Amino acid sequence: AQKVTQAQTEISVVEKEDVTLDCVYETRDTTYYLFWYKQPPSGELVFLIRRNSFDEQNEISGRYSWNFQKSTSSFNFTITASQVVDSAVYFCALSGNDMRFGAGTRLTVKP
Amino acid sequence: DGGITQSPKYLFRKEGQNVTLSCEQNLNHDAMYWYRQDPGQGLRLIYYSQIVNDFQKGDIAEGYSVSREKKESFPLTVTSAQKNPTAFYLCASSIVTSMNTGELFFGEGSRLTVL
Repeated sequence: AQKVTQAQTEISVVEKEDVTLDCVYETRDTTYYLFWYKQPPSGELVFLIRRNSFDEQNEISGRYSWNFQKSTSSFNFTITASQVVDSAVYFCALSGNDMRFGAGTRLTVKP
Repeated sequence: DGGITQSPKYLFRKEGQNVTLSCEQNLNHDAMYWYRQDPGQGLRLIYYSQIVNDFQKGDIAEGYSVSREKKESFPLTVTSAQKNPTAFYLCASSIVTSMNTGELFFGEGSRLTVL
């Protein structure tokens, strides 16, 4: 069975702090994809990144970076120099035969 | 602009009533999905459809029904059989050839409250 665990329910930081959102997954599939989505207060989820199981190279996009480690089954997301606009709920997701979402981490960035 | 439109945004229903949530997309995507979001539980799949006139149950299909008569439309009916229908409902779509490997595009959701 596939499972995604986001152990951090809520995180609060002050603007300009760095913050890491944890994601741990379980799967028996050898080929799978990992995703991060952002859900701002407006409600719709916005796609941030996709990683396939064969690509462990870390990725950086502006202030966002992702650390994929198969050895620990983790796909963590770091926001550098956080801003108030980063406040949202962030979901990690895993797909193989179907798509599984974690419970989400609510990030609040205070000015 | 291309995207997914869900309506209504907020809906109140009395116990025992059926209610239908609308989802329309103009992205020309073949696959469409309905998810339910509850606090602390993430998103759970209710139904999905990969092609017109065909759909599959997800993890929590009991008490729900869908139809896919047109490619761009995938309405969800919450029936009176759904024991705990108060939730936030999200509709999504994707290119079918990348189903489960590509990104999902989401609507802004419909919040249903049963009084």
